[in-house]
Amino acid sequence: AQTVTQSQPEMSVQEAETVTLSCTYDTSESDYYLFWYKQPPSRQMILVIRQEAYKQQNATENRFSVNFQKAAKSFSLKISDSQLGDAAMYFCAYNFNKFYFGSGTKLNVKP
Amino acid sequence: DTGVSQNPRHKITKRGQNVTFRCDPISEHNRLYWYRQTLGQGPEFLTYFQNEAQLEKSRLLSDRFSAERPKGSFSTLEIQRTEQGDSAMYLCASSLGSGAYEQYFGPGTRLTVT
Repeated sequence: AQTVTQSQPEMSVQEAETVTLSCTYDTSESDYYLFWYKQPPSRQMILVIRQEAYKQQNATENRFSVNFQKAAKSFSLKISDSQLGDAAMYFCAYNFNKFYFGSGTKLNVKP
Repeated sequence: DTGVSQNPRHKITKRGQNVTFRCDPISEHNRLYWYRQTLGQGPEFLTYFQNEAQLEKSRLLSDRFSAERPKGSFSTLEIQRTEQGDSAMYLCASSLGSGAYEQYFGPGTRLTVT
């Protein structure tokens, strides 16, 4: 069964610094998709970044990048130059026909 | 494109009552998903539709839950004989397809069963 594990329930980062959120997953499939979603307090979930498993190159979106290690089934999110608006719950998700979400990491950004 | 909308945003009901939630996806999206999210957890898959066909239903979903998408547009999720354990945020999402396609989420319906 596919599972997604986020082992860091909560993290804090100083504004302008870099933080990495961890995610591991379990699957027997070889072709799938991975996502990071952001859920600000009382607001809708929005996509941060996505990665196709068949691509070796790590995805980047402005200040957001991933470290995708397929053999290790690891998919971490790096946020550079953290901003106050980055404070939110972050969910890692695996997609093969349907989405499986991790339990989330609450990111606090300190001014 | 006005995004995914859900109604109502909040619902308080007494145990044993039936409730129905509505989701209006982005108009050209043929996939529609329902999730349940409890405090401090990620969304948990309930069911999804490809157009009007319900393709999968979670084994965690009891027979008290039913979902429809009659014309492949909006969808409803009904919970019969609600229980306190049904209290949660119910999220709807839609997408153009599977795979790399992003899911767009609605704001959710928060259900409280007293």
